[in-house]
Amino acid sequence: GAGVSQSPSNKVTEKGKDVELRCDPISGHTALYWYRQSLGQGLEFLIYFQGNSAPDKSGLPSDRFSAERTGGSVSTLTIQRTQQEDSAVYLCASSSGLPEDEQYFGPGTRLTVT
Amino acid sequence: DQQVKQNSPSLSVQEGRISILNCDYTNSMFDYFLWYKKYPAEGPTFLISISSIKDKNEDGRFTVFLNKSAKHLSLHIVPSQPGDSAVYFCAASSRNPGGGADGLTFGKGTHLIIQP
Repeated sequence: GAGVSQSPSNKVTEKGKDVELRCDPISGHTALYWYRQSLGQGLEFLIYFQGNSAPDKSGLPSDRFSAERTGGSVSTLTIQRTQQEDSAVYLCASSSGLPEDEQYFGPGTRLTVT
Repeated sequence: DQQVKQNSPSLSVQEGRISILNCDYTNSMFDYFLWYKKYPAEGPTFLISISSIKDKNEDGRFTVFLNKSAKHLSLHIVPSQPGDSAVYFCAASSRNPGGGADGLTFGKGTHLIIQP
């Protein structure tokens, strides 16, 4: 079946502009996660949606970052007033929501802020 | 402060030999551990996991060992094959009693290179 998809695959933006990144999780998966991987770093957790519960935003690095998940499916990650340090690969993952089900990752969106 | 540490940025192993990738963690609340494999320009793919109630989990050529007292886990790949060349990430989570799991905490990864 179809895996997690993300768009765009690459995004170049000017410092100060807003960007929106999209994630389409695996159909039926109730849990959705956003991570980012900066150059030379591991994956950094950003935000987690589980069903209709309030999202866990504990990983968001600043209030310029926000995410929503409409209808329990597609999610968008918005970064306002982008800064150069926001340059990274942004990865989305989904899972069934069961405790021991692994997370399935999308290919990521490479964001470059110039 | 890094809660999951992979102290070897890279590891080179000859084809057919055993590859051992190590991972240490500091958060005693972690109760579920996973290994992911990542090729360039692709998202990580799940490899193998282990619950804190176990000390070993095996799946084909891949075995994960967990030493809770030392807060250490390792991934063994035997025999190593050229297609195993990739970046391997160790990850940990705390599972919620009501189901689901918190976001994973990842190490920085180890680049495994299998030499023919």
